[in-house]
Amino acid sequence: NAGVTQTPKFQVLKTGQSMTLQCAQDMNHNSMYWYRQDPGMGLRLIYYSASEGTTDKGEVPNGYNVSRLNKREFSLRLESAAPSQTSVYFCASSEGVGIQRGYTFGSGTRLTVV
Amino acid sequence: DQQVKQNSPSLSVQEGRISILNCDYTNSMFDYFLWYKKYPAEGPTFLISISSIKDKNEDGRFTVFLNKSAKHLSLHIVPSQPGDSAVYFCAARSGGSNYKLTFGKGTLLTVNP
Repeated sequence: NAGVTQTPKFQVLKTGQSMTLQCAQDMNHNSMYWYRQDPGMGLRLIYYSASEGTTDKGEVPNGYNVSRLNKREFSLRLESAAPSQTSVYFCASSEGVGIQRGYTFGSGTRLTVV
Repeated sequence: DQQVKQNSPSLSVQEGRISILNCDYTNSMFDYFLWYKKYPAEGPTFLISISSIKDKNEDGRFTVFLNKSAKHLSLHIVPSQPGDSAVYFCAARSGGSNYKLTFGKGTLLTVNP
């Protein structure tokens, strides 16, 4: 099915380890986003890419890096994981200008840092 | 400072009745508002949106009302069904060249059979 695919779905890391969360969309969307969801905090924007070749910080970028590899793929990297980064991570994409149809979200990556 | 506020963490209604979910915002630059529904272990799914130049948008059982002077919007679900039980997020976009959405904390709706 068309949509946003995130891998992995679950991950447990030790403090200080690094990992990359992968995201790919097949809807030819221009814009892509990474959000994290924490209990009682809603969804908070980490980084976004308005178009291929550009990335910008969101509300909570510290401790993360991103790469917009091509139009389809937008990865999120944790260089040195911390327990505070335990969260559910969602990737999303949108046409950009066509905001009235909203974002399409992936099913999420549940990350635990011990 | 939270720019999009959903002050009710949870709401419980009977099947067939109306569900009203509320959202308040503080940023006058928001030009588009959206509602998302989220089931456990799934990503949020887009439900309905409204432009700041309108005061109502309807899609089947779902209607969103916008009161700009009060900086308030609401989502009405009529009639409510058990399958509507989910977390509902209000989101808003600031007008301009960026495409970021700011989300509220969500309201858990439970529709009882």
